[in-house]
Amino acid sequence: DIQLTQSPSFLSASVGDRVTITCRASQGISSYLAWYQQKPGKAPKLLIYAASTLQSGVPSRFSGSGSGTEFTLTISSLQPEDFATYYCQQLNSYPGWTFGQGTKVEIK
Amino acid sequence: QVQLVQSGAEVKKPGASVKVSCKASGYTFTSYDINWVRQATGQGLEWMGWMNPNSGNTGYAQKFQGRVTMTRNTSISTAYMELSSLRSEDTAVYYCARGTPWLQDAFDIWGQGTMVTVSS
Repeated sequence: DIQLTQSPSFLSASVGDRVTITCRASQGISSYLAWYQQKPGKAPKLLIYAASTLQSGVPSRFSGSGSGTEFTLTISSLQPEDFATYYCQQLNSYPGWTFGQGTKVEIK
Repeated sequence: QVQLVQSGAEVKKPGASVKVSCKASGYTFTSYDINWVRQATGQGLEWMGWMNPNSGNTGYAQKFQGRVTMTRNTSISTAYMELSSLRSEDTAVYYCARGTPWLQDAFDIWGQGTMVTVSS
């Protein structure tokens, strides 16, 4: 199975900060990577698919990049509603989709 | 609107089985895969398996092989996930999620989640 490792696991930041989360795959997955945001008690929400394509309705301050084994999710200017946990997911190893362990973004 | 609505919370004893339903509305049920993902309290997301509602074909994570069964009833646009031989470690919120082909099968619509508690 393909393993995904996110870093950091926990991040403390202030409103307006630029935030970057990294997701590393144990083997190459081309651009078959998605990012999700999850708030407490809620289902995850799709932010980005195909590594860098913004899902409809997602604010443009979110962006994704990378291919192969290393990927990043960037929030250009952190907003109060962005404090949440973020997960990457690989969609290359069909049908064995896996998630990263998550990155919790908290208010500094 | 497009949505997935899941059945209510369940409490089961160790060794029992649970069957969770996921009713689709607002789109053509047979045109999109349904996935199941679970999340133990305070833990991350764990993909359990996939089903094609049109063909009924399934694919399960190795961890759940032999214990999970995913089915559907197309006449009522509903998917089901049954997990057997329950143990305390299966206590979690279980989500169904739609996989959309032109999004590289990313999960764009999620159910609200069903809490399953396994306790003697």
